[in-house]
Amino acid sequence: QQQVKQSPQSLIVQKGGISIINCAYENTAFDYFPWYQQFPGKGPALLIAIRPDVSEKKEGRFTISFNKSAKQFSLHIMDSQPGDSATYFCAASNWNNFNKFYFGSGTKLNVKP
Amino acid sequence: ETGVTQSPTHLIKTRGQQVTLRCSSQSGHNTVSWYQQALGQGPQFIFQYYREEENGRGNFPPRFSGLQFPNYSSELNVNALELDDSALYLCASRLGDTQYFGPGTRLTVL
Repeated sequence: QQQVKQSPQSLIVQKGGISIINCAYENTAFDYFPWYQQFPGKGPALLIAIRPDVSEKKEGRFTISFNKSAKQFSLHIMDSQPGDSATYFCAASNWNNFNKFYFGSGTKLNVKP
Repeated sequence: ETGVTQSPTHLIKTRGQQVTLRCSSQSGHNTVSWYQQALGQGPQFIFQYYREEENGRGNFPPRFSGLQFPNYSSELNVNALELDDSALYLCASRLGDTQYFGPGTRLTVL
């Protein structure tokens, strides 16, 4: 059973556009939701994370929107740039078992110049 | 820089062999986790160690084992390698409320 479902599988966006990636989870015990960016041949790098006590968190061009009742969260990348082209993973964990992350299947983002 | 390093970068083994992957993190990173990332998929949790004791395991068989050392280094050992073990193996360590991933070791089993 997949604990975190991510969509779309791939995304093509023009430079300057908005990239939106969605995730849904089942386990209501999850209370930490990070997004990771991964370039080919590299490990995942933390982009931004949110806890369920807030509905939105913004860091630079990256924003997480969180809907606790729907058990969904999304990543918005504003003013997308070719350098943002990478694979993005959402994840979820429980604070009491923090290091056990359940990852989504990933979204490959291609930002066209 | 995440402060988490892994070695080797790449490794090729044949089916049935054993392999040891290594990870090193910075002082204060008391918890280390290992993940397996198959091509085109998200990382899957293997297990985690806290103060040199395993304290959590995912759906991986016992032939996946690990060690954590007092100097913040750790090992992942895989016995009786199978073709499906081919993947990127990621080490991650926690500092505060952030989990940092290393660059990974790409294991190919032939």
